[in-house]
Amino acid sequence: AQKITQTQPGMFVQEKEAVTLDCTYDTSDPSYGLFWYKQPSSGEMIFLIYQGSYDQQNATEGRYSLNFQKARKSANLVISASQLGDSAMYFCAMRPYSGAGSYQLTFGKGTKLSVIP
Amino acid sequence: GAVVSQHPSRVICKSGTSVKIECRSLDFQATTMFWYRQFPKQSLMLMATSNEGSKATYEQGVEKDKFLINHASLTLSTLTVTSAHPEDSSFYICSAGGGSSTDTQYFGPGTRLTVL
Repeated sequence: AQKITQTQPGMFVQEKEAVTLDCTYDTSDPSYGLFWYKQPSSGEMIFLIYQGSYDQQNATEGRYSLNFQKARKSANLVISASQLGDSAMYFCAMRPYSGAGSYQLTFGKGTKLSVIP
Repeated sequence: GAVVSQHPSRVICKSGTSVKIECRSLDFQATTMFWYRQFPKQSLMLMATSNEGSKATYEQGVEKDKFLINHASLTLSTLTVTSAHPEDSSFYICSAGGGSSTDTQYFGPGTRLTVL
């Protein structure tokens, strides 16, 4: 079974500053993928970034980067130069690449990010 | 990224009626789709995995006779909430992936169901 832990229920960040959203995970699968999704108040889940467990380099997508520390089982999301439109819920998710349920995502409880002008 | 649509975006129905929600992958084929339920201020809870041409796989505690899932084509899955009750009021979201375990899941915009 997989477990995702997001310890920050809410975070505040000043506009134009960087912010790190924490995510730790637990799995017995040797191969897996880690995902971050953004959910604005409209409800839609927007895919942000992906990191494979065997990827050597940390993933980056524009202002988003994933600080992947495999030994610590952490996959923190870093948002640089925060914008007001970044205010939303952010979910960390994980997907094993083997065994039953290998397509299923397991989500954390989410972090609500508020960007302050 | 890939586009997944959901219809309707919002529905209000009377208790005892059935409601059908459609999930479509618009620009790719999805052998596997997923249905989630989300209560206010909570995370997504997987309800079932919908496989094209076969029966859906339901998560523990989800009533398969209440939440009917049909995945008749590679681009369409439907969730029917039968005999809806107020406690079924929730946000329902579908996602679709290409079917490979490494594919990213893309989500629909969700359907907010209110049962009076």
